[in-house]
Amino acid sequence: AQSVTQLGSHVSVSEGALVLLRCNYSSSVPPYLFWYVQYPNQGLQLLLKYTSAATLVKGINGFEAEFKKSETSFHLTKPSAHMSDAAEYFCAVSGGTASKLTFGTGTRLQVTL
Amino acid sequence: NAGVTQTPKFQVLKTGQSMTLQCAQDMNHEYMSWYRQDPGMGLRLIHYSVGAGITDQGEVPNGYNVSRSTTEDFPLRLLSAAPSQTSVYFCASSYSWTSGGASTDTQYFGPGTRLTVL
Repeated sequence: AQSVTQLGSHVSVSEGALVLLRCNYSSSVPPYLFWYVQYPNQGLQLLLKYTSAATLVKGINGFEAEFKKSETSFHLTKPSAHMSDAAEYFCAVSGGTASKLTFGTGTRLQVTL
Repeated sequence: NAGVTQTPKFQVLKTGQSMTLQCAQDMNHEYMSWYRQDPGMGLRLIHYSVGAGITDQGEVPNGYNVSRSTTEDFPLRLLSAAPSQTSVYFCASSYSWTSGGASTDTQYFGPGTRLTVL
């Protein structure tokens, strides 16, 4: 069984500041991990995914995430926040079965001037 | 490609009514899934399909039926709507890929259907 915990349902940062969204996972098999972003009234868009090829994963819009097995974490970061980054972010885990993603509860990112 | 399309965008039902949420994809993906999104709960898997004629239950299947007669379409049926089914419903499709000896997929989501049951 898989599960994901996202720490912090709301995160607020200033424009230009570091973005750090936390995700910890639990999986009985080697996990595949994903970050999705959801803008208001839209569907989910894939930001990046961990496939076991490299522990540091780069995604779209300047985001990246690092897989740390020892900490069971897959935190999402961006060096400099932009107003357009304001959205809800979801971490998800797949235990190797296609079509069965388990999502975290989401973190809403607010970017202020 | 239109990607994953869902109809309707909005729907209001009365308790006990039935309806079908439509989902279609034009990417020739084998896998399709239905999720519901509720505030503070993320997305939860309702049903999924690994190919035409093959479906299985997810985390919250009660009150919902699915069928997959073609690769392109994966409708979700509410047999007797209840207020607890008020939610935003997302359909997703995916292709499977193998890495490190195991298979998984990358899912592409539709824009969602916002359903209210009174």
